[in-house]
Amino acid sequence: ETGVTQSPTHLIKTRGQQVTLRCSSQSGHNTVSWYQQALGQGPQFIFQYYREEENGRGNFPPRFSGLQFPNYSSELNVNALELDDSALYLCASSLELSRSTDTQYFGPGTRLTVL
Amino acid sequence: GQNIDQPTEMTATEGAIVQINCTYQTSGFNGLFWYQQHAGEAPTFLSYNVLDGLEEKGRFSSFLSRSKGYSYLLLKELQMKDSASYLCAGPFSGGYNKLIFGAGTRLAVHP
Repeated sequence: ETGVTQSPTHLIKTRGQQVTLRCSSQSGHNTVSWYQQALGQGPQFIFQYYREEENGRGNFPPRFSGLQFPNYSSELNVNALELDDSALYLCASSLELSRSTDTQYFGPGTRLTVL
Repeated sequence: GQNIDQPTEMTATEGAIVQINCTYQTSGFNGLFWYQQHAGEAPTFLSYNVLDGLEEKGRFSSFLSRSKGYSYLLLKELQMKDSASYLCAGPFSGGYNKLIFGAGTRLAVHP
């Protein structure tokens, strides 16, 4: 059984650019959530995908968007990057949406720096 | 909205016991998680409480009081490798399994 993987590990972009981050969920998990973690803060929920559809969104603007594919892997896209978007982006997968008590397992994250 | 509060930093001595507290608003509550996060790494699951009381798992125990909106993580026989941030989080959004995290408590264990 493989864990949650994310790519790339690190990324440097300039303001105004667009970025795509990728996540492969743990084997058998059909729910993927994305979080943004600024330095010294806890992760903040961006959105969640279940069976290829967005299923819940946090307080993030529309320039943050995502996709989930039939194999349950997922992408996070951020357009018009701003300096404040610099953060660690974490992907978490869980087994089943319907069980709200389900444990989420996190990937190693992508460190995004916006200059 | 739901707020989660925990102390910013704590220090403790190797071999000692430390208790990290977490308080939260009770509306929409669906259980409470504790995660450990070493610097530069992903959070890793430690415990989940959905019922009141203490749950013990080796050197780590977690307590929950739903009526008081209060939880704590108890770490016994502290080791240097326990130096990390400890995050409490609740799935508050009515079944979406969306986690709302506190800012984390940075624990430094000294010899």
